[in-house]
Amino acid sequence: DAMVIQNPRYQVTQFGKPVTLSCSQTLNHNVMYWYQQKSSQAPKLLFHYYDKDFNNEADTPDNFQSRRPNTSFCFLDIRSPGLGDAAMYLCATSGGLAGLSETQYFGPGTRLLVL
Amino acid sequence: SQKIEQNSEALNIQEGKTATLTCNYTNYSPAYLQWYRQDPGRGPVFLLLIRENEKEKRKERLKVTFDTTLKQSLFHITASQPADSATYLCALRGGGNKLTFGTGTQLKVEL
Repeated sequence: DAMVIQNPRYQVTQFGKPVTLSCSQTLNHNVMYWYQQKSSQAPKLLFHYYDKDFNNEADTPDNFQSRRPNTSFCFLDIRSPGLGDAAMYLCATSGGLAGLSETQYFGPGTRLLVL
Repeated sequence: SQKIEQNSEALNIQEGKTATLTCNYTNYSPAYLQWYRQDPGRGPVFLLLIRENEKEKRKERLKVTFDTTLKQSLFHITASQPADSATYLCALRGGGNKLTFGTGTQLKVEL
């Protein structure tokens, strides 16, 4: 089945220790997104790639970076995690043909814990 | 400022009844609105999309209405089951042509 896969499902890191979360997709979608979701809050868009074009949200901290080496994979790098970065990180994809607001397909998420 | 409002209080209903969830928005003129389901510790799953020129959309036990005058969408689950228990998010196209999500309403269907 075509899908969006995120690894690991749970990640524990230490305060200030760089961490990388990964996402892969078999949907062959043009657009890949990273969202941050804290408890009882709406998913918050951090950035997205339209093909190789990177688009950062204005309020995304510099601490958060992303890489998309090919169509299938996208990575979220947190350079110096703080306690406030503990959250669920969601990767999503969309076809990209109807703009960024079309239906999105989400992975299961990675729960990040910062000690 | 743009705002999407969903009832933050959990909705508890009895199995077999119809659940109705509300999504209100301000300062948007969305061409369409989407509903997603999110289970605890999981990513959202797309359920339905309704366009501005559609008053109602159905899919199996699900029904969505969209009133652009009231700036409101209603999401109905008929003959609800305990397996329908989840958080339901509405989403609209916001600034920059990107999707913006509401905080969701938690639905609990009790036996």
